Amino acid sequence: TQLLEQSPQFLSIQEGENLTVYCNSSSVFSSLQWYRQEPGEGPVLLVTVVTGGEVKKLKRLTFQFGDARKDSSLHITAAQPGDTGLYLCAGGEETSGSRLTFGEGTQLTVNP
Amino acid sequence: GAGVSQTPSNKVTEKGKYVELRCDPISGHTALYWYRQSLGQGPEFLIYFQGTGAADDSGLPNDRFFAVRPEGSVSTLKIQRTERGDSAVYLCASSSTGGSTDTQYFGPGTRLTVL
Repeated sequence: TQLLEQSPQFLSIQEGENLTVYCNSSSVFSSLQWYRQEPGEGPVLLVTVVTGGEVKKLKRLTFQFGDARKDSSLHITAAQPGDTGLYLCAGGEETSGSRLTFGEGTQLTVNP
Repeated sequence: GAGVSQTPSNKVTEKGKYVELRCDPISGHTALYWYRQSLGQGPEFLIYFQGTGAADDSGLPNDRFFAVRPEGSVSTLKIQRTERGDSAVYLCASSSTGGSTDTQYFGPGTRLTVL
């Protein structure tokens, strides 16, 4: 079973600060997805990256897929209280079809 | 349009009882997934349907867990002889074709508590 390790597990910052969340594995993934989950709801997809070295931007969020497709990062610029939530990375493996392997998540709290 | 819906939203049962959890996927989506999320953890894959058939059931923890999708739309996850360790949020997701980079749309989950 391939594992995804996320760090940090918990992050509490002030509004306006920048932050980076990391997602690492010893295995190669064919795709890497980032989700955000609010309490009582299911995860909502933010982005999918499929090419090694790929960088995608979504407003103040920047996602990067490692060159070797084993790791990824999510960078948030000028965090806002509305960014508060659980951020999950999930890897898709070519050999296991469309099942996703999730990391444990990073609980982000942005204080006003 | 309507998203993925799951019923019930909450289920409390006693150890040893049988439970059924229902998932209504997005209309027209051929792929349906079940995941389980324990407190403080990311979702854990259970089973994946392509149409009516289970394409990958390797995540089911043991033979107490079973899932069906008889008409290729609604799916039911069935748990026999529930144990306290089965307590978790059970998430259902659907995607249009089941491709490895297809977006999976998640429902709100069913919170199962086994007393």
